[in-house]
Order: sequence, then C-alpha cells, then structure tokens
Amino acid sequence: LAKTTQPISMDSYEGQEVNITCSHNNIATNDYITWYQQFPSQGPRFIIQGYKTKVTNEVASLFIPADRKSSTLSLPRVSLSDTAVYYCLVGVTYNNNDMRFGAGTRLTVKP
Amino acid sequence: DVKVTQSSRYLVKRTGEKVFLECVQDMDHENMFWYRQDPGLGLRLIYFSYDVKMKEKGDIPEGYSVSREKKERFSLILESASTNQTSMYLCASSLPPTEKYEQYFGPGTRLTVT
Repeated sequence: LAKTTQPISMDSYEGQEVNITCSHNNIATNDYITWYQQFPSQGPRFIIQGYKTKVTNEVASLFIPADRKSSTLSLPRVSLSDTAVYYCLVGVTYNNNDMRFGAGTRLTVKP
Repeated sequence: DVKVTQSSRYLVKRTGEKVFLECVQDMDHENMFWYRQDPGLGLRLIYFSYDVKMKEKGDIPEGYSVSREKKERFSLILESASTNQTSMYLCASSLPPTEKYEQYFGPGTRLTVT
C-alpha cells in the first residue's frame, strides 16, 4: 500500500486559490491518485482522481508531476463552505483492498 | 441520487453489550465497506464485502464481525462492546473497481461505549 503524507492543517481566506500537496514517494506504476472531501458530520465524498499530468472538473484541479511522487489538489477561489478535511489516497483502482485514507488535511477558510 | 443510509446517527451502549450497526445502499453496488474514524487517525478500514456473503478483513478487524445476507445491506457487529470502540463508524459502497473508483459514504454513526 502506497503511503501518503499531507499537511495536517491549512488556513486560507475567501476568494483565494488553495493548493494542498500530497507526497507519495513509493507510488507504484498502476496506482491512481484520488482526493476526497469531508464536511463536519458527513461522510467523505469523491472530488477528483488522476493518473498523470492534469485533471480538472467542476470542483477542483489535480496536478501530477512526471515522477508522480506528489500531487496537488487545487481549489479555485475558495469560499467558507470549502472548510473541510481533504484526503489524498493512492492505490490501484481495480483492487478494493488497496486504497487507504490517511489523517487528511483540515482546511479552514476564513472570511 | 446515490444514497447510503446508516441505522443511527448516535448510539450509546454499555461495555459488554452486543452492538449492531446497519448500513443500506440503494445503488445496487457490489462492494460495501465499514470504516471507523478517530481524531488524528483518519479513516481506518475494518471490513469490506465484494458480494453477498463474502467478506474480507481490513486493517483493524479485531473485535468486529460483519454480515452481508443481502446485496443492499451490510452490518457491522461488535460482539462485546468495549470503551476503545467508541468512535465514528462510516459505511460506504462502490461499484466493482474500474479505472474510476469512487466510494459513496453514509453520514456515519457516532457510537459511545460507556
């Protein structure tokens, strides 16, 4: 199982772009990178997934450098409602038992 | 819309009691999961099931068992609850792993064992 390292917490202000970086030095060739978001009193929800380069959807962008040993979740123009815990997972998507949630990054957006 | 429901949001039990946590999904998903979430530790996988009557241990199965008699329902059982099982329990479901692998989570059950 590939291990991930994220900052424990981050602060930002409304309207700013937030970048959360995840380190995964022992990522394997077949591993994908997946990010989840968890609001207080709710279960996590899927945000974005990628294998290499850049992936963008309506919520976020995911940047993955060529060596894939890290990845960056980018949230454009955050609002107070983006305050949540963000989890980075690495593993093969075809195996139920391969991906693990770490402690996540607690993002606090201030007015 | 995708929905995973858990039988209780809050539960208080006494040490030694047998506890059942129920999870139901309405998406016809093959896979179901039970996690516990504790401060500073993130989510830890207890058990998962990839089919009816099939189960596999996750990282912390000790003190827990599971049951999956129907595709839509996955139960977590604490045979004899202990105070160190006080935690938030989250259930999730997913389709079989493919290139895009997404788990759908329920709202969680906060269990307190006294």
